[in-house]
Amino acid sequence: QKEVEQDPGPLSVPEGAIVSLNCTYSNSAFQYFMWYRQYSRKGPELLMYTYSSGNKEDGRFTAQVDKSSKYISLFIRDSQPSDSATYLCAITPPHEGGGNKLTFGTGTQLKVEL
Amino acid sequence: DVKVTQSSRYLVKRTGEKVFLECVQDMDHENMFWYRQDPGLGLRLIYFSYDVKMKEKGDIPEGYSVSREKKERFSLILESASTNQTSMYLCASSPGQAPYNQPQHFGDGTRLSIL
Repeated sequence: QKEVEQDPGPLSVPEGAIVSLNCTYSNSAFQYFMWYRQYSRKGPELLMYTYSSGNKEDGRFTAQVDKSSKYISLFIRDSQPSDSATYLCAITPPHEGGGNKLTFGTGTQLKVEL
Repeated sequence: DVKVTQSSRYLVKRTGEKVFLECVQDMDHENMFWYRQDPGLGLRLIYFSYDVKMKEKGDIPEGYSVSREKKERFSLILESASTNQTSMYLCASSPGQAPYNQPQHFGDGTRLSIL
């Protein structure tokens, strides 16, 4: 079983739709949760970062963490064509010495159509 | 804003060549990372470094080495390039001070083709 599972998509939605992107993870020791957005031919850029269960909102984006179910979600409201990208979840365990390694999902490709 | 700069966006090399990929960050971060990204496999960690001259193997270090002589610069070396090393290579950095487990910041990648 992979440590982090993410549906690769592709996911195609009409402009204005609410998008739900999800990841599940297997290790309950994971504590920190991130979502990255990656446009084609670019590096991943950080969208959201949280370490607690519950919701965190930033503009049209909401990150949700359910530690009891080991499930994280990213919601995008009023989706725009500019949201078309690959979305990666990333998770990290408690700090264990030098460096802070992340475990990534494989990414979900999203296309928002006009 | 954190800036992570990778020296080349696209690179074409031949089998057996020694290849150097360079990465520079401008935020005085202690931690630096090299990943490769392949379709269906996601991001895989090759090597990372949490201090100057320190290096740790990631999940797929075979065929690669790294060098970190200065805090801001982290180099990935393909000792003898092979076609299965054709990939997108991504460099990242993050702070080493508490709070730990802070997000990593990425460069725009080097798309490397080995012929």
